[in-house]
Amino acid sequence: DTAVSQTPKYLVTQMGNDKSIKCEQNLGHDTMYWYKQDSKKFLKIMFSYNNKELIINETVPNRFSPKSPDKAHLNLHINSLELGDSAVYFCASSPMIGMTDTQYFGPGTRLTVL
Amino acid sequence: QQQVKQSPQSLIVQKGGISIINCAYENTAFDYFPWYQQFPGKGPALLIAIRPDVSEKKEGRFTISFNKSAKQFSLHIMDSQPGDSATYFCAASRARNSGNTPLVFGKGTRLSVIA
Repeated sequence: DTAVSQTPKYLVTQMGNDKSIKCEQNLGHDTMYWYKQDSKKFLKIMFSYNNKELIINETVPNRFSPKSPDKAHLNLHINSLELGDSAVYFCASSPMIGMTDTQYFGPGTRLTVL
Repeated sequence: QQQVKQSPQSLIVQKGGISIINCAYENTAFDYFPWYQQFPGKGPALLIAIRPDVSEKKEGRFTISFNKSAKQFSLHIMDSQPGDSATYFCAASRARNSGNTPLVFGKGTRLSVIA
């Protein structure tokens, strides 16, 4: 019974390529997030969507484009990948808008850009 | 600008000992302070959280102590076990009714509990 799932778990690609990471939650939550965890384990929010609407965009380069086809899915597309994009990307969800609710994280996608 | 400062960066504790991780925040508007636990290869998971109307919250072996005037909060793990070995993150945010702000995470503490 996976609550928040992400695919793929690992992604290795060349600089300049375009790639997507998919996220799905089966918890019935309204809000979903993308976080980036760098090599030093620092966790930083990138985007937040509430019921398919973007509510937070933390000055992420516009090469990153989230898409939410429905409130259970939040995908992340990255154009023109750069070495600095190498990180672990986590999807998360919470019951409703507002950052004080428990956030449930997915298992992460380790992106390596060569 | 780091809004939540966490220390130490790493911690080694003997089995049965007390693990203490400290965090300090800058934004006085923060009013929700969760701790997340992350095992290698997994996503973070909420461990325990506190709001500033109480100075302490305990759940099993885990206790959060909160000092509003000092803008500090800490996680205490009593009777630490090898299974507690993980990375711990403190975080802070504002309540939704005050305007949503993202969860701001500390840089994490890698805890190793040795037998």
